[in-house]
Amino acid sequence: DAKTTQPPSMDCAEGRAANLPCNHSTISGNEYVYWYRQIHSQGPQYIIHGLKNNETNEMASLIITEDRKSSTLILPHATLRDTAVYYCIVRAQTGANNLFFGTGTRLTVIP
Amino acid sequence: DTGVSQDPRHKITKRGQNVTFRCDPISEHNRLYWYRQTLGQGPEFLTYFQNEAQLEKSRLLSDRFSAERPKGSFSTLEIQRTEQGDSAMYLCASSFLRGYTFGSGTRLTVV
Repeated sequence: DAKTTQPPSMDCAEGRAANLPCNHSTISGNEYVYWYRQIHSQGPQYIIHGLKNNETNEMASLIITEDRKSSTLILPHATLRDTAVYYCIVRAQTGANNLFFGTGTRLTVIP
Repeated sequence: DTGVSQDPRHKITKRGQNVTFRCDPISEHNRLYWYRQTLGQGPEFLTYFQNEAQLEKSRLLSDRFSAERPKGSFSTLEIQRTEQGDSAMYLCASSFLRGYTFGSGTRLTVV
């Protein structure tokens, strides 16, 4: 599975959009981009995933660049409950299907 | 709630003792995963089952670690002769096709 690079931490004002970047320059054509988040003392929670098209669900939007070497997770209106560690993961749909987590981005939403 | 359940939530044990953790996956999920997470790090994959078959176990940290999933339902993770370095959060996840759901984890403290 391709390695990802994320900034270790970010702050965002409550009510503003949070834009979390992820670099995955060695991504393969069959690898998806997944985003999970982990709130303190809980297990990781699925947010969104995509292959090459932008995706949106009730939690967030995922913007993947045309060359697929980077992506951005957008939380459109951050709340205090969005304070968490956000993990960007790339993986293929075949094989063991396990997820390889990095150290993620610690997002702090500030009142 | 029909999410992934883990038991116990917390375990304190003396060095050298054996411990066993249980994971009950979502009932229709055929894949089950175990991860370990130490402070400040992302979850680290340990092993995975498809139904009752353990398809990947090379990532188990040592021969003191073992996992079972009898009858393809719940799973147990056992650590024999615990060491202080085994102190961590042990997470279980289950999936069917692409979607993963994590439990809240078992926090192990070895004293």
